[in-house]
Amino acid sequence: DQQVKQNSPSLSVQEGRISILNCDYTNSMFDYFLWYKKYPAEGPTFLISISSIKDKNEDGRFTVFLNKSAKHLSLHIVPSQPGDSAVYFCAASAGGTSYGKLTFGQGTILTVHP
Amino acid sequence: DGGITQSPKYLFRKEGQNVTLSCEQNLNHDAMYWYRQDPGQGLRLIYYSQIVNDFQKGDIAEGYSVSREKKESFPLTVTSAQKNPTAFYLCASSMGRNTGELFFGEGSRLTVL
Repeated sequence: DQQVKQNSPSLSVQEGRISILNCDYTNSMFDYFLWYKKYPAEGPTFLISISSIKDKNEDGRFTVFLNKSAKHLSLHIVPSQPGDSAVYFCAASAGGTSYGKLTFGQGTILTVHP
Repeated sequence: DGGITQSPKYLFRKEGQNVTLSCEQNLNHDAMYWYRQDPGQGLRLIYYSQIVNDFQKGDIAEGYSVSREKKESFPLTVTSAQKNPTAFYLCASSMGRNTGELFFGEGSRLTVL
């Protein structure tokens, strides 16, 4: 049972435009959500997170939106740059004693063309 | 520099052999984790440890074993009981009580011949 889903395996965007990566979850116990970026043969690096008490969090070019009623979150990258090309994973945590036990989506490959 | 070091980066194993993947961190983090990544799939949790001398099974612990004798070290043994061991293995760590931000190593790719 896939509790965190990224339904788009890949996304292609032109440099300077907006990239929107989507993620859906089914477990209503999840209360903290994160996005990670991963290059081939490397470990993921933390990008941005959001708590369930918020609906938006910004960090520079990256903004994460959370829609709890729809159990949906999205990552917006504006403007997109070629260096953003990577695999993006969303992840969720139920908090409490489950801290650090992240459930990951399958990932979305983002390609930003110059 | 503080970080997480995994070794070896690449490892080949014959069927029926056990192999141990090393993970060391100098971030003074309390918790450590092992995840597995397969093509087209997200990361899946194998084992995690919140304090020294204690560890818990994750979602796919069968065929794996771990130890946590030191705060800095969390080695993973892939045993011959693991049916599909070929994968990319990632070690991570985090401060004790946080909401999930993990710091990952660069990974170890295990191939069973």
